Formats: sequence, structure tokens, C-alpha cells
Amino acid sequence: AQSVTQPDIHITVSEGASLELRCNYSYGATPYLFWYVQSPGQGLQLLLKYFSGDTLVQGIKGFEAEFKRSQSSFNLRKPSVHWSDAAEYFCAVAVNSGGYQKVTFGIGTKLQVIP
Amino acid sequence: EAQVTQNPRYLITVTGKKLTVTCSQNMNHEYMSWYRQDPGLGLRQIYYSMNVEVTDKGDVPEGYKVSRKEKRNFPLILESPSPNQTSLYFCASSRTGTRREAFFGQGTRLTVV
Repeated sequence: AQSVTQPDIHITVSEGASLELRCNYSYGATPYLFWYVQSPGQGLQLLLKYFSGDTLVQGIKGFEAEFKRSQSSFNLRKPSVHWSDAAEYFCAVAVNSGGYQKVTFGIGTKLQVIP
Repeated sequence: EAQVTQNPRYLITVTGKKLTVTCSQNMNHEYMSWYRQDPGLGLRQIYYSMNVEVTDKGDVPEGYKVSRKEKRNFPLILESPSPNQTSLYFCASSRTGTRREAFFGQGTRLTVV
């Protein structure tokens, strides 16, 4: 079975600083990978996704993520964080399972942005 | 506007009192699912449905029921809620097949006392 590890539960960065959120997955083949963001009181919104091809994917709100097969990682990055980026971020992996796409989420990383 | 709508957003109930959380999507998606979100555990899938009248258990189905009589609706039923079902619940929908991202509702905060 697949699994997702987000090793950082909380991260604090200063506004304007760069950001990297870590995500590692466990699966025998190349999975489909997603990053979602959850703002306070809101549902999850898709930031970006990786299915195949270019290993550096661009998403919304200036985020990008890089798939590294050798490290089983899919880290999320942003060059300059804005206060509005404070939220919880979830990495997810999807695999084909009995005719449907089973999605497994990490436990999330809560991002705090300080002035 | 494409959306997944859950109701209610907040609910406080007592142990054993049956409740239903509704979920509706307007995107004609075949696939719908329910998750619960708990601190330190992320999102865990409760039940899913691949289409009308087709439902199956996710990772944590105990104490929950679902039905899918119409394509757009996928209610979550707690026949006899218990305090360990206090959680934040999300409904999600997507097209079937691979490479389909999920669209989420805004969540239902349930407290069982």
C-alpha cells in the first residue's frame, strides 16, 4: 500500500523568505502526486499535480514542486512567501486501485508566516 | 460555479442521536468520497462511491453509512454517533479514471458530546 510522509508538522518562515515543504512517498511504481492547501475554515484546494513528463511542475499562487524519483520525494517550493500563504499544506499520492484512483494524504504541514 | 457543498458546516450533537451530513456536487462527477480530518492523522477516507448505487468502504468506515441514489448527492449517515467521531469531515468529488484531482467541500465540523 502507498504511504505519504510529511516530516514537518509546523514550519515558520518570515514573509519574503523562501519556502520548501517536504513530502516523501512510498509506492512501487510512479504514482500521481498532488499538493493541496487548506486555508483556515476552508476545504482543500489543489495547488499542483504531477502525473508524468517534466519533473518540475508549476502551480497556482507561485508554487512549484519537483518530483525526484531517486528520493521518492515531491517537495513544494515558493521563492518568496506572502502572509496569505499561511495555511496547512497536504501532499497526496494517488494510485490505481480496483478501477478507481485511491488517494492517500500526508498528515499535513502547518505554515506560519511572520512579518 | 463548480462546487461541492456540504451541510451543515458546524454540528454539535449528543451520543446516539442519528445525524446526516449532506454533500452535493454540480460538476456531474462520477466519483465521490468522504474523509475525516484529525490532528496528526491527516485525511482518512471513510467511504467512496464510483457512481450511482455503487459504494464501498474506505480506510475508516466503522460507524458510518452512505448512500448514492443520485449522481450529485452523497450523504454521510451516522446512525449512532459517539464522541470518537468528533472530527472535521470533508466530501470530495472527481471524474473517474486516472489523473483526476479531487474537488473538496468546505468541511463539516462535528462535535459529539
